[in-house]
Amino acid sequence: AQTVTQSQPEMSVQEAETVTLSCTYDTSESDYYLFWYKQPPSRQMILVIRQEAYKQQNATENRFSVNFQKAAKSFSLKISDSQLGDAAMYFCAHNTGNQFYFGTGTSLTVIP
Amino acid sequence: GAGVSQSPRYKVAKRGQDVALRCDPISGHVSLFWYQQALGQGPEFLTYFQNEAQLDKSGLPSDRFFAERPEGSVSTLKIQRTQQEDSAVYLCASSPGWEGRWEQYFGPGTRLTVT
Repeated sequence: AQTVTQSQPEMSVQEAETVTLSCTYDTSESDYYLFWYKQPPSRQMILVIRQEAYKQQNATENRFSVNFQKAAKSFSLKISDSQLGDAAMYFCAHNTGNQFYFGTGTSLTVIP
Repeated sequence: GAGVSQSPRYKVAKRGQDVALRCDPISGHVSLFWYQQALGQGPEFLTYFQNEAQLDKSGLPSDRFFAERPEGSVSTLKIQRTQQEDSAVYLCASSPGWEGRWEQYFGPGTRLTVT
């Protein structure tokens, strides 16, 4: 079964500090993609960062980076220099073929 | 340019009623996905279209759920004889390609409440 587990329902971080959100997944496929999506209170989800499973190099997008451990099936998101606008629900997802599997989300609070 | 839009944004239905939820994807996007998001949960895959072809409907929870995309653009998700467990936010997403690596662009969702 394809599953995605986010073990931290809620996290908080001080503005300008760094926070790491955890994600593990389970798949029997060797070729797949991993994503982090952000869902602000308005509910429109947007892509934060994407990682191809065949690439060993960790993806980075400005203040966002991932720590991808393929053998451990772990895909954590690091947010550096946290900003108030980073407050949102964050969903980890992976896809195989045309199906996408999402975790239950981590609610991130940024403290001014 | 316009993003993905969904209508209505909110829908209240009495148990047993039929509902139709509309998704307008980004123009030219090949792929279209429907998801169901229950309160406090992540989105769960319902169905996938590549142009007008429904290639995967394995996530539809029952035969009361039906989706179509007849001209390869606008899509409608229909739920017949709604039940209380159908209450959720229904998200639509479109993507410019048909491979999994392509970013999905999500709509704002339709919040369905069945009373």
